[in-house]
Amino acid sequence: QKEVEQNSGPLSVPEGAIASLNCTYSDRGSQSFFWYRQYSGKSPELIMSIYSNGDKEDGRFTAQLNKASQYVSLLIRDSQPSDSATYLCAVNRDGNYGGATNKLIFGTGTLLAVQP
Amino acid sequence: DTGVSQNPRHKITKRGQNVTFRCDPISEHNRLYWYRQTLGQGPEFLTYFQNEAQLEKSRLLSDRFSAERPKGSFSTLEIQRTEQGDSAMYLCASSTKETQYFGPGTRLLVL
Repeated sequence: QKEVEQNSGPLSVPEGAIASLNCTYSDRGSQSFFWYRQYSGKSPELIMSIYSNGDKEDGRFTAQLNKASQYVSLLIRDSQPSDSATYLCAVNRDGNYGGATNKLIFGTGTLLAVQP
Repeated sequence: DTGVSQNPRHKITKRGQNVTFRCDPISEHNRLYWYRQTLGQGPEFLTYFQNEAQLEKSRLLSDRFSAERPKGSFSTLEIQRTEQGDSAMYLCASSTKETQYFGPGTRLLVL
């Protein structure tokens, strides 16, 4: 089992629709969860962070976290063609040297295609 | 705040050559990370610095890889005797706490 799992997609939605991206993780000790957007050939760009169970909204984006079920999701409302990208889910992991590294463990990403 | 910068942005080298990449983190960030990303995969953690101390290295970081962060500012990642399997995007990220901000990356192609 991969530590962070995402459906690779592509997820195709029409312009103006809601895109729902999902992610599951295996380490119950993870405390911080992140969604990054990555355009082809570019580096990851932070979209959202979430630390507590429930929903967190920022503009058209809503992150949802359920630690009991070990999943985190990202909803994109009013999807635009410019949202077409790969969305990476990441969870933090403490260091193996006895301290807090907060290194990120990434999923393979979900490719979102918003059709005009 | 000019963001994380990385140089060079692209590097083509022949197998067996040494390469060095540089990362300049956001100025007030004491934490610096290196990741590697290959096509179709998410970034994979390579190593972590807190200030000038290298506190963790991944098993992915073979003996051919070395990283430094003198004076706790910029960092360099050197790959010796490059192999074709080293071809990837090398990403640097910095943070003060949990949230990491990535630089534009250095794309390495080993021929």
